[in-house]
Amino acid sequence: DQQVKQNSPSLSVQEGRISILNCDYTNSMFDYFLWYKKYPAEGPTFLISISSIKDKNEDGRFTVFLNKSAKHLSLHIVPSQPGDSAVYFCAASVSGNQFYFGTGTSLTVIP
Amino acid sequence: GAVVSQHPSWVICKSGTSVKIECRSLDFQATTMFWYRQFPKQSLMLMATSNEGSKATYEQGVEKDKFLINHASLTLSTLTVTSAHPEDSSFYICSASGTSYTDTQYFGPGTRLTVL
Repeated sequence: DQQVKQNSPSLSVQEGRISILNCDYTNSMFDYFLWYKKYPAEGPTFLISISSIKDKNEDGRFTVFLNKSAKHLSLHIVPSQPGDSAVYFCAASVSGNQFYFGTGTSLTVIP
Repeated sequence: GAVVSQHPSWVICKSGTSVKIECRSLDFQATTMFWYRQFPKQSLMLMATSNEGSKATYEQGVEKDKFLINHASLTLSTLTVTSAHPEDSSFYICSASGTSYTDTQYFGPGTRLTVL
């Protein structure tokens, strides 16, 4: 069964607004989480990560929030730009040993 | 949900030996499988795309004679690292999808290769 789930396969957002991508996991042992961005025919590129000792990590327009009790993390992009249109994957691991990926959310930012 | 497994999860080998990594789609038929290598900063580099029953398509800069990919069935693809060297030590991740790279990709958990 999928240990990491992204329940929204797609999301459309107006340029300049906030994009919120969600990810849920089931394994309470996960202590390291990552978000990747993927364009067609390319490998996923690393965006931002967070370890379980934190509940928030920010890098420019990208912020990841971790709610350990709910086993939920989210990626906020603000303001959203058309170039942000891509598929976003979340991934989780136990101390970097093996990575469990979600199925991705396709974000479309409308100009 | 769809599950992709990889075996082994961790392998240590001596320099000069070959290592085979398996990628299996457990509950769906994967027409297309992808092999990635994970680099520092955690980005995944696409190495090759394989379609069941045909030769793999390698990305530029990836040696096809060194990284042999076989996709013999709709549920199994293998990556063989031939004559492995320490610089091949890395994390190798596969993913599987339906008929096109635009279909949903289901990732395996990865295989950590350490070459001594």
